[in-house]
Formats: sequence, C-alpha cells, structure tokens
Amino acid sequence: DAGVIQSPRHEVTEMGQEVTLRCKPISGHNSLFWYRQTMMRGLELLIYFNNNVPIDDSGMPEDRFSAKMPNASFSTLKIQPSEPRDSAVYFCASSPQGRGAGELFFGEGSRLTVL
Amino acid sequence: QKEVEQNSGPLSVPEGAIASLNCTYSDRGSQSFFWYRQYSGKSPELIMFIYSNGDKEDGRFTAQLNKASQYVSLLIRDSQPSDSATYLCAVMGYYGGSQGNLIFGKGTKLSVKP
Repeated sequence: DAGVIQSPRHEVTEMGQEVTLRCKPISGHNSLFWYRQTMMRGLELLIYFNNNVPIDDSGMPEDRFSAKMPNASFSTLKIQPSEPRDSAVYFCASSPQGRGAGELFFGEGSRLTVL
Repeated sequence: QKEVEQNSGPLSVPEGAIASLNCTYSDRGSQSFFWYRQYSGKSPELIMFIYSNGDKEDGRFTAQLNKASQYVSLLIRDSQPSDSATYLCAVMGYYGGSQGNLIFGKGTKLSVKP
C-alpha cells in the first residue's frame, strides 16, 4: 500500500484565499484524522471521522474551517477565507479500528503558508 | 480539558547512554498510551504502545506506565545519533464510550551526540 497520500505538499497563498487540502487514507482503515502542527501549539487534532462520519470536530478553530469525507477513500479540509495564523503543517492520518486503534499512519503533511 | 505534558527539551545525551523521556497526562480514565517519533521535517511514526502498568520492552526501547501517578516514560538504551528526533507522547481519548482520537503532547526533542 502507498500509505496515506496528501496533496498538495506545499501551498503558499494570500490572506483571504480559499485553501483545500486533500487526503487519501490507507485502504481498509476506518478512522481518519486531520491534525495541525505548529511550533507553539504542537500537534492539535482538528477533526476525526469513523466510517466516513465526523465524530469530533471540537478542534476545528472556527467556522472558516470545514472538513468532509464523502467516501472511504477521500477527505478534504477547507479553509475559507485563509488567514496568516492558519500557517502550519496539516497532517492527515488514518488508523484501523479495534486493536489497531491508536496506531496512526500519517501522511507526509501539507505545509501551508498564508501571506 | 485533557492534557498531555512533556518537557520540550532539548535533551542531549552522549552516544551509548540511556535517554529517558517523560510524560504526564491529566485524564485518569485513559487506558492506552503511545510513543511516536518525528524526525525533523517528517511525519510522526509509532514506535511503542503500552496499555498495562509496568514495563514493556521492544529492542532498545522500553515504555513504562504508572497509571496511579498518571505517568508514562520511554527509555532508549544504547542511544545512537539516528535516535535524534522529537518524541511525542500520546494518550487515547474516548468519545461517547468508544475509542477516539489521540491527544498528543508537544514533544521532547532528543539529541544524541557522537
């Protein structure tokens, strides 16, 4: 398996623009997570899905952030409008349920810079 | 607010020494604990998990759990320069009675000097 695939790897945009980050989880994994990592705040959970259903979105900073998982093989995280404080590395991760829960497989991340 | 606390470091040890990384957590009901390693510019990867009080060994790595003290540690024996990385402690949260997300500490940066 190719692992968790994220795109784009790097995104530079101007304040106010819409940003869409994409993720393809590992086939067969039931859970998908979106994390954001910054030096100041570390790795923060934004939202996670079980079987394509959003379970906990309490980490989503504000209404400018939205996430969807239309099927088991694809998820998006959208920021509209973007702000400089959104600059971070955004990781998508997937994991199996049951005994494997907690073993997260991370994608390579999407580094977002908002000018 | 569930929290996971780690000393940010950097922790510097000479090659061949034992590196000791520590973590405390706030949710007394937590059942599952994980250590992830993250090299600079890379994504985190799982290296150990522990569910029961006591020690769990895997090669040069030993995870230790003390639920009464809400304390988890990771020992790395015979440290190598290739162990230089940030080590993230993570605790499994529960949502609606089911296993849910991992709550990560901010990580401890380890530097192993040749």
